[in-house]
Amino acid sequence: KAGVTQTPRYLIKTRGQQVTLSCSPISGHRSVSWYQQTPGQGLQFLFEYFSETQRNKGNFPGRFSGRQFSNSRSEMNVSTLELGDSALYLCASNPREFPPEQYFGPGTRLTVT
Amino acid sequence: GQNIDQPTEMTATEGAIVQINCTYQTSGFNGLFWYQQHAGEAPTFLSYNVLDGLEEKGRFSSFLSRSKGYSYLLLKELQMKDSASYLCAIPPGTASKLTFGTGTRLQVTL
Repeated sequence: KAGVTQTPRYLIKTRGQQVTLSCSPISGHRSVSWYQQTPGQGLQFLFEYFSETQRNKGNFPGRFSGRQFSNSRSEMNVSTLELGDSALYLCASNPREFPPEQYFGPGTRLTVT
Repeated sequence: GQNIDQPTEMTATEGAIVQINCTYQTSGFNGLFWYQQHAGEAPTFLSYNVLDGLEEKGRFSSFLSRSKGYSYLLLKELQMKDSASYLCAIPPGTASKLTFGTGTRLQVTL
């Protein structure tokens, strides 16, 4: 079974721009979560989607948004990029509602200049 | 809220045993996860403990004490490839998301 895939793997943007990241979960997994990882803050939860509905949300500003499609693929969008948004963005899928055993994709490395 | 503490860095010798500790504070405990993350790669699932005691999985074992808010990951017969960050994580309540500790970077030396 193929793992979680994320595109693109690397991205360089400038302040003020917006960015869209894509994630395809493991086949059959309906829950998709997004995390931001930085050296200073570690892994922080952004949001989780299940059956096209946002089910959980982390403590991030409204510039961070996401959605999930009927085929469980998910996208996250960051608008008005700031330097502090430079991070590794990880997508994870979960085969069941609970416990949230997350299977992570390789991540998208976003650099904001 | 939740609070998770792990040592920042540890060093151990190839072939030795190392114990990585994790202490946590949470309301409504529903299990604790351990993940391994090699530099530049995604975290991979190692273990999930929901009951007290030790669970062994090959060279890796994970222990949980709910009354003490404490867990550890035990790595035996260390190999160079075990050099990685080890993250403990807990779900807040029954939410399908995880709160991660900052991770322990383990360096295995010859």
